[in-house]
Amino acid sequence: GAVVSQHPSRVICKSGTSVKIECRSLDFQATTMFWYRQFPKQSLMLMATSNEGSKATYEQGVEKDKFLINHASLTLSTLTVTSAHPEDSSFYICSASKLAGGQETQYFGPGTRLLVL
Amino acid sequence: QKEVEQDPGPLSVPEGAIVSLNCTYSNSAFQYFMWYRQYSRKGPELLMYTYSSGNKEDGRFTAQVDKSSKYISLFIRDSQPSDSATYLCAMSSYSSASKIIFGSGTRLSIRP
Repeated sequence: GAVVSQHPSRVICKSGTSVKIECRSLDFQATTMFWYRQFPKQSLMLMATSNEGSKATYEQGVEKDKFLINHASLTLSTLTVTSAHPEDSSFYICSASKLAGGQETQYFGPGTRLLVL
Repeated sequence: QKEVEQDPGPLSVPEGAIVSLNCTYSNSAFQYFMWYRQYSRKGPELLMYTYSSGNKEDGRFTAQVDKSSKYISLFIRDSQPSDSATYLCAMSSYSSASKIIFGSGTRLSIRP
């Protein structure tokens, strides 16, 4: 299998607080994990690529000091939204890459819905 | 111009119909082509994965890639109400585990 979990599935927080989202590959080790953001009725936009034991690579326009990514092990990556504001409200989805049948494929988590009041 | 163009729909067809979903792209470096299905408020689920040009069939699903026209398609035969979801095309230059560019998604509804 290739199961990726995220926690929490939904979070509501006050403006100015920080929120941590966990992404875990449950039945495989993932060298690379990815973090995406999806606004309503829009596609997934890559925020950053995370490799175990090294600093994340952020896409253009994504503030690395606001969206802190830690990839501490081959099965866990965390995204912390610091000093969250209402415009950060979105659906955050992670994925983890797995080598299968000679090919590497991304498997996605179920997503975390963040609402900042 | 977006790198990947996909008609957002919505597309509504009767149960049992053949569904055709399409994407066009502009980057000739893309070599890996994927189709994901996403139910409301859920993460995307990989349906089909194709490398370079050609066809690939898996059950009721067929993926086609025409690199000369920069055009990819997903066909769903004998469509079912449970197929109702948003379908996202996606592509990558190096491997499906590297940076993926997604289409905007097509919302599909299968009427019983």
